[in-house]
Amino acid sequence: GESVGLHLPTLSVQEGDNSIINCAYSNSASDYFIWYKQESGKGPQFIIDIRSNMDKRQGQRVTVLLNKTVKHLSLQIAATQPGDSAVYFCAENKGSGNTPLVFGKGTRLSVIA
Amino acid sequence: SAVISQKPSRDICQRGTSLTIQCQVDSQVTMMFWYRQQPGQSLTLIATANQGSEATYESGFVIDKFPISRPNLTFSTLTVSNMSPEDSSIYLCSVDQGEAFFGQGTRLTVV
Repeated sequence: GESVGLHLPTLSVQEGDNSIINCAYSNSASDYFIWYKQESGKGPQFIIDIRSNMDKRQGQRVTVLLNKTVKHLSLQIAATQPGDSAVYFCAENKGSGNTPLVFGKGTRLSVIA
Repeated sequence: SAVISQKPSRDICQRGTSLTIQCQVDSQVTMMFWYRQQPGQSLTLIATANQGSEATYESGFVIDKFPISRPNLTFSTLTVSNMSPEDSSIYLCSVDQGEAFFGQGTRLTVV
C-alpha cells in the first residue's frame, strides 16, 4: 500500500515475473504521457511514451496502457530483471513541445532474485 | 537526442551560503527547465528558462531564492541562495527535443 511522508510506494516482484506500475494523472487536458526510470544517483531516463489518441503502446519488454476515462496510466514490464530495480515515474504534459512535464509520485520497483 | 552535463554532481554546503549549478547542453534549445527532487519525492518544476528573457517561476519558487541565468541557447545556471537544510535535494535541468532529456542531477546537502 501507499505510504505518506518520505516513502515512495514500493512494488516487490520476483525475477521473471511481470510487473505492473500504476499512475493516476491529474490534468484531463494532457495529451502526452511518458514513463521514466530513475536509478540511484542518476537523472530520469525515458522508457516509453504514449499520446492521448492511443490506448496502448508496446516497446521492448514494456507496454504502456492509457485509460483516459479514469485518467489512469500503467506500465507493464515483462519478465522483470534485477536491472529493472529503480524508481518509476509517470509524467504528463500537453505535448506541444517545450512545455514542462508534471510528474507523478513515483513507485519503487524492487526485483527479488 | 540531447546530452546534458550538470555541474557539480554533488555538494555539501553550509547553511546561509549559495550554490550555483551549471547545465550545459550539446545543442541549441529554446527552453530549459529546472526541477527539484526532494528526498524520496517526485520531481517538481522550479522554473522555465528562456534565452533572452527572465525565467518563469512556478508557485512556491521565487527569483530571489532561485535566481536563474540563461546567457545563450546551450547553457543555464540555477543558484540556490541563502541555503537551509530544507534545500537539501537533487536539482535537475531538462530540455525538450521531441522528448524530455535530463541531466544527471546535482545532489545538494545543506548542513
